[in-house]
Amino acid sequence: AQSVTQLDSHVSVSEGTPVLLRCNYSSSYSPSLFWYVQHPNKGLQLLLKYTSAATLVKGINGFEAEFKKSETSFHLTKPSAHMSDAAEYFCVVSETGGFKTIFGAGTRLFVKA
Amino acid sequence: SQTIHQWPATLVQPVGSPLSLECTVEGTSNPNLYWYRQAAGRGLQLLFYSVGIGQISSEVPQNLSASRPQDRQFILSSKKLLLSDSGFYLCAWSVGTARNSPLHFGNGTRLTVT
Repeated sequence: AQSVTQLDSHVSVSEGTPVLLRCNYSSSYSPSLFWYVQHPNKGLQLLLKYTSAATLVKGINGFEAEFKKSETSFHLTKPSAHMSDAAEYFCVVSETGGFKTIFGAGTRLFVKA
Repeated sequence: SQTIHQWPATLVQPVGSPLSLECTVEGTSNPNLYWYRQAAGRGLQLLFYSVGIGQISSEVPQNLSASRPQDRQFILSSKKLLLSDSGFYLCAWSVGTARNSPLHFGNGTRLTVT
């Protein structure tokens, strides 16, 4: 069975400082992993995906994530936060795709000026 | 390129009234289609998915239903809305069911049942 845990419900950073959003997963197979971002009253936008190629995945808007199998983690990072990064972020695991995609509970990122 | 359209963006309906939300996808053929609901503080809940015209699978029993009358059209309906149906409804599509095929979401419909 697969599952995903986002370790922080809220993260607050100052503009210009690094961002770290933590995600642990559980899977019986070699899963695909995704990060999505959701701004208020908008749909979810794909930030990046890991599909068993390079373990360090670069996404849009300067975000990247590293797949660590030994730690079953897929943490999302960004070197320098921007005010526009304030949103909710979802870590997603998929063993077989489609309707078997599992979403984390989300982490709300606050960015202070 | 592929696009997904979802409407209306917001909707306020009284309890007991009917509901119809529509979603269409452009630029791809035979997509898998999904309806999700996002209630406050409860994350994303998969309601329905469809792998083809007329094929609907329900994940959660409730007073909602879905239909897929055309390849790229997905409709969410209710005959009588409940207060608990309030939430943010998201339509999504994917190419097939491969594990590396991400979901692509519409902008959602904010439904408030009063």
